[in-house]
Amino acid sequence: NAGVTQTPKFRVLKTGQSMTLLCAQDMNHEYMYWYRQDPGMGLRLIHYSVGEGTTAKGEVPDGYNVSRLKKQNFLLGLESAAPSQTSVYFCASSAPGTGDIQYFGAGTRLSVL
Amino acid sequence: SQQGEEDPQALSIQEGENATMNCSYKTSINNLQWYRQNSGRGLVHLILIRSNEREKHSGRLRVTLDTSKKSSSLLITASRAADTASYFCATIWNQGAQKLVFGQGTRLTINP
Repeated sequence: NAGVTQTPKFRVLKTGQSMTLLCAQDMNHEYMYWYRQDPGMGLRLIHYSVGEGTTAKGEVPDGYNVSRLKKQNFLLGLESAAPSQTSVYFCASSAPGTGDIQYFGAGTRLSVL
Repeated sequence: SQQGEEDPQALSIQEGENATMNCSYKTSINNLQWYRQNSGRGLVHLILIRSNEREKHSGRLRVTLDTSKKSSSLLITASRAADTASYFCATIWNQGAQKLVFGQGTRLTINP
């Protein structure tokens, strides 16, 4: 049972390039989340989804887009990367009615030059 | 702004000692959770305490919650080198949004 899998693990982009981060979960969870973690800070929520075909903005959504076409996948897109988006990105999933205990992927370390 | 704030930001103790870290939050909550993050890894859920509970145990972990003070503490007893990690508290708003808000974390180092 893989849990939450994020790809890629590392990526270096140039300013203005685009990329998509993929998150896949095999726990049949309804809810999925994208966070970013910057040095010395906790996790900040970028976008989240409460079900297939639905997405919503979190605390820091600017510069990112997401899609949840399949229940098991949650994609995070950067259309025009900026140095301020250099961060570690974490995906998580949870099931309703469990107190929202979240299960995290191992993270994607992104550098934007 | 972040809901939870952990204190201290960093803690270094000797193996075998107990480690206590605290979390304060701002608004009403349904529950409070603690997570651990090993260096370079994702967060792992440790324990959840509901707003109507005052104390909860799980192995060497003891969590307390004081809703009147909007604070929680995590105690790790008989610490081990493997406990070296960052610890985060997280709260879920009771407005119905299924979102966790994390504090900045406490970096715990266990010295052999």
